Amino acid sequence: DAGVIQSPRHEVTEMGQEVTLRCKPISGHDYLFWYRQTMMRGLELLIYFNNNVPIDDSGMPEDRFSAKMPNASFSTLKIQPSEPRDSAVYFCASSFDTEYEQYFGPGTRLTVT
Amino acid sequence: RKEVEQDPGPFNVPEGATVAFNCTYSNSASQSFFWYRQDCRKEPKLLMSVYSSGNEDGRFTAQLNRASQYISLLIRDSKLSDSATYLCVVNMGAGRAGSYQLTFGKGTKLSVIP
Repeated sequence: DAGVIQSPRHEVTEMGQEVTLRCKPISGHDYLFWYRQTMMRGLELLIYFNNNVPIDDSGMPEDRFSAKMPNASFSTLKIQPSEPRDSAVYFCASSFDTEYEQYFGPGTRLTVT
Repeated sequence: RKEVEQDPGPFNVPEGATVAFNCTYSNSASQSFFWYRQDCRKEPKLLMSVYSSGNEDGRFTAQLNRASQYISLLIRDSKLSDSATYLCVVNMGAGRAGSYQLTFGKGTKLSVIP
């Protein structure tokens, strides 16, 4: 299995631009998670899906952030408009269930200038 | 009080040393516990789950103390390859509408020195 796939691996954009991050979970995993990691705040859960349905988005910082999962093999996290404080590493992870190991993708390193 | 707290380190130890990390959590209803390892500029990976009775995996031992709400990780005979950041992870149980809350500590950085 290829593991969790994320794209792009690096993204540099200017403030105000739209950013779309993509994730392909491991086949057969029913749960998909989006995290953000910064030095100041560590790893934070933004939102997670179960069987393509968003279950808890209480970690999404504000309305500029949105996430979708149109099918079992694809999810996006969109930031519009982006701001410098959004600069972070964004990880996608998937798992069989909430009590099972979460497998993380390699992350997208986002820099907003 | 932060939900999951860890000493950020860094812990600098010589090869062969024994090192221990502690982690405290605030929610007494927390249901499950894990240690993840994160190498520099890489993604976190599960190191081991933490069971109530304590568990061991080779050189690694994890302990849980529910009464005091802390988790520990002991690494014996440290190797250079153990150098990484170790993340304490707590599943704080159901939030709203049956959701769950997996909370990560900020991690403890370990450097094993030749």
